[in-house]
Amino acid sequence: AQKITQTQPGMFVQEKEAVTLDCTYDTSDPSYGLFWYKQPSSGEMIFLIYQGSYDQQNATEGRYSLNFQKARKSANLVISASQLGDSAMYFCAMRDRGENSGGSNYKLTFGKGTLLTVNP
Amino acid sequence: DAGITQSPRYKITETGRQVTLMCHQTWSHSYMFWYRQDLGHGLRLIYYSAAADITDKGEVPDGYVVSRSKTENFPLTLESATRSQTSVYFCASSASGLPGLEAFFGQGTRLTVV
Repeated sequence: AQKITQTQPGMFVQEKEAVTLDCTYDTSDPSYGLFWYKQPSSGEMIFLIYQGSYDQQNATEGRYSLNFQKARKSANLVISASQLGDSAMYFCAMRDRGENSGGSNYKLTFGKGTLLTVNP
Repeated sequence: DAGITQSPRYKITETGRQVTLMCHQTWSHSYMFWYRQDLGHGLRLIYYSAAADITDKGEVPDGYVVSRSKTENFPLTLESATRSQTSVYFCASSASGLPGLEAFFGQGTRLTVV
């Protein structure tokens, strides 16, 4: 079963507008973390933002915010005031305890990604 | 230089050959991960390691072998390469297993199996 689901293969947004990238997750581990990474066309993976399962408030980092709805198991990324340089692939990831190790070691699992294109 | 480095950056190999992708990090991070990235699949976890001599299978481990004799190195070996293993491979590391710590990624290795 897919642990991290990103339902939007591609998204378009106008420059200076806000955009929301969807992410839902599935885990039975009460202690988990959610991340968003950006991968520009150059290929490197850039960490954007983190949300812990016990965090009461939504995480924010500059123009990035994470809309964390724990009951719905969703962790959507909101980018405000989009810029042309935001055009990239965006990955949602979850860190929880792996089942193969008997539940003692954390692993990091990624969604399939959303390709964001910012139009001028 | 400090960081996480992968070698080689590009590799072309023939079907059936054994090939090893290297990953080296200078932070003494306990956790290391190997992913493959394919169009339509995103990043899929191959193997991960919580510490030296501790490794676990990820989502797509078949055809791959890992070892972690030293904390700083986490090589990935394709025992008998197949065309389906043509992919971009990313290595990552993080300081511990705590859920809040981000993983740092290498630059990736683009492997082509012909």
